This record gives sequence, C-alpha cells and structure tokens, in this order.
Amino acid sequence: DTGVSQDPRHKITKRGQNVTFRCDPISEHNRLYWYRQTLGQGPEFLTYFQNEAQLEKSRLLSDRFSAERPKGSFSTLEIQRTEQGDSAMYLCASSLETSMGETQYFGPGTRLLVL
Amino acid sequence: AQSVTQLDSHVSVSEGTPVLLRCNYSSSYSPSLFWYVQHPNKGLQLLLKYTSAATLVKGINGFEAEFKKSETSFHLTKPSAHMSDAAEYFCVVNVNTGNQFYFGTGTSLTVIP
Repeated sequence: DTGVSQDPRHKITKRGQNVTFRCDPISEHNRLYWYRQTLGQGPEFLTYFQNEAQLEKSRLLSDRFSAERPKGSFSTLEIQRTEQGDSAMYLCASSLETSMGETQYFGPGTRLLVL
Repeated sequence: AQSVTQLDSHVSVSEGTPVLLRCNYSSSYSPSLFWYVQHPNKGLQLLLKYTSAATLVKGINGFEAEFKKSETSFHLTKPSAHMSDAAEYFCVVNVNTGNQFYFGTGTSLTVIP
C-alpha cells in the first residue's frame, strides 16, 4: 500500500454515460498526476496538478475529460459521454517536489469498461 | 525530447538464475530514472530510483540498476530470480527541469520453476 487510494476500483458503464473517479493522494504531496494505461502498454500521461492548479494536459485528454483538485487535496477525473475507446485502467500518482527531484507513488487504479 | 526504450517485451528465466531487464533512455538534460513493478491487478510499486547520486542503485527485493551515461542505459538486474518476481516491469525517465514522467512499454518477466 503506497498511501494513494483510488475509488472505485472497477467501473462498468454503458457508452454515452458519464463517470467520475476519485484519487486521494499522500497528504503532504503537492503534485498529483493522472495516467491512462491500456492492455500491454505503459501508463500514458493525462494531466497533472501542483496543489490545486492544473498545470499541464496531454493531447490525449479530449474535451470529454475534465479533472479537478479542489483545495489541493483529493482529485476527481470525469469522463463525459463515454466511448468504448475509453476502456482502460486510470492511474493516479502523487509526489512531493524537492531539491532532489520527485518520486511518484501510484494508487491501485480504477479499471473502466465501457460497453 | 525524452524517451525510454525497453529492449525486451518478454523475458523468461528459471528460478534461481540471474535477471536482466534492459532499458535505454534519451534525454537532453540530466535525468532521474526509475524502475517500477506491476503485479497482475495491482498498482505500480517503486523498485528503485536514480537521481544523480551513486550510479549503482539498490532497490527492494534484491534488485539493482546501474546508470551508465556513456551507454544511456539503466538496466535492472537481480542475482537470483524468485517466483514472486514474475510481473511487468517499467522503466521511467523524468527530466528534472520538467514535470512529465515517460514510461517504457514494459517488460513482462516470467519465472520458470
């Protein structure tokens, strides 16, 4: 257990529905990342927050995706009008930026299946 | 530009024999390098990291990695494989001036009894 939690662990939804995932980072970590991982691939960066500010978004993050981190604590990732291609594992990681760099600690992931 | 190449998508070893998982990186700046392990249906666990201190890095579960700047490599090794080492391994590069972590495509390690 890394100290990063994600909820739910699994989600099955029908195409066109909206889904929301939650990530609770390690409490003192100022950075929070979202990744998507499909079968047989490494995680792909989606977006990241420094405290409550969303500082970078990947081109993978279409307009149907939105992420928030109110008050710089937990974060949510919402997918609107889900498509079958959204089926993947969604991973959250948190880190603390220091003068020695940073190390990401990952949550267990949320596995999404869009039918 | 930064990137990571894991040279083997699949490695099989017999229990008790050495493990070598290869990783090459490209980076315009001084990188931080990591190895993560992912067991089936589990999250990514940090094995070890290199952040410009000693070039030979020791991690958990008997794993080591050596940073070789001249070869732009960061190969992961273990002297003696255990059945519990069977998993997916990811090499990751982070450039200290940036905030993105770049993952390799992973190497699946099989340990044969």
